[in-house]
Amino acid sequence: KAGVTQTPRYLIKTRGQQVTLSCSPISGHRSVSWYQQTPGQGLQFLFEYFSETQRNKGNFPGRFSGRQFSNSRSEMNVSTLELGDSALYLCASSYYGAGANVLTFGAGSRLTVL
Amino acid sequence: AQSVTQLDSQVPVFEEAPVELRCNYSSSVSVYLFWYVQYPNQGLQLLLKYLSGSTLVKGINGFEAEFNKSQTSFHLRKPSVHISDTAEYFCAGVENNAGNMLTFGGGTRLMVKP
Repeated sequence: KAGVTQTPRYLIKTRGQQVTLSCSPISGHRSVSWYQQTPGQGLQFLFEYFSETQRNKGNFPGRFSGRQFSNSRSEMNVSTLELGDSALYLCASSYYGAGANVLTFGAGSRLTVL
Repeated sequence: AQSVTQLDSQVPVFEEAPVELRCNYSSSVSVYLFWYVQYPNQGLQLLLKYLSGSTLVKGINGFEAEFNKSQTSFHLRKPSVHISDTAEYFCAGVENNAGNMLTFGGGTRLMVKP
């Protein structure tokens, strides 16, 4: 079966712009989580959605937001981009939103902010 | 709050030699622990997981890890590495009441030399 699909894979934006990233989970998976990966801060949890509801949110400013649709696809949005938002954004899905479930990660969306 | 620490940022090793990548965690509640591998320009792939039961966990590609509650460690081992094992390895944990909100260690770059 198809894996977790993230689009776009690469994108370049300038400071002050906004960006929307998309994640299509594995068919049947209802939980989607987002992580930010940077050389300085490593992998950090952004948020988690289960059945269209945000269950957990990491320690990120309000410029970072997300949502999940009824088909479990998820989007995250970053408004008023800053240079420090340059990162690899990883999406992961699982059947349920419980830690014992294995997360399957997508290949990521690499955002560069100039 | 939970934390995960990977004690080595880089581990160089010769091909066919054994390797151990160290991971320590701290948590006031029960945790699930994972090891992931990341190859260049790719997402994270699960190597193995500890949920409960036997403290010795076997994963893919010949890797194994041992959960040590008294030392709060979850070290990853492989008896004989290959060039293809060169990658970044991440230890991660999630508290049993925290959904899919994983906390990652800083990563260990395994460099296998011929």
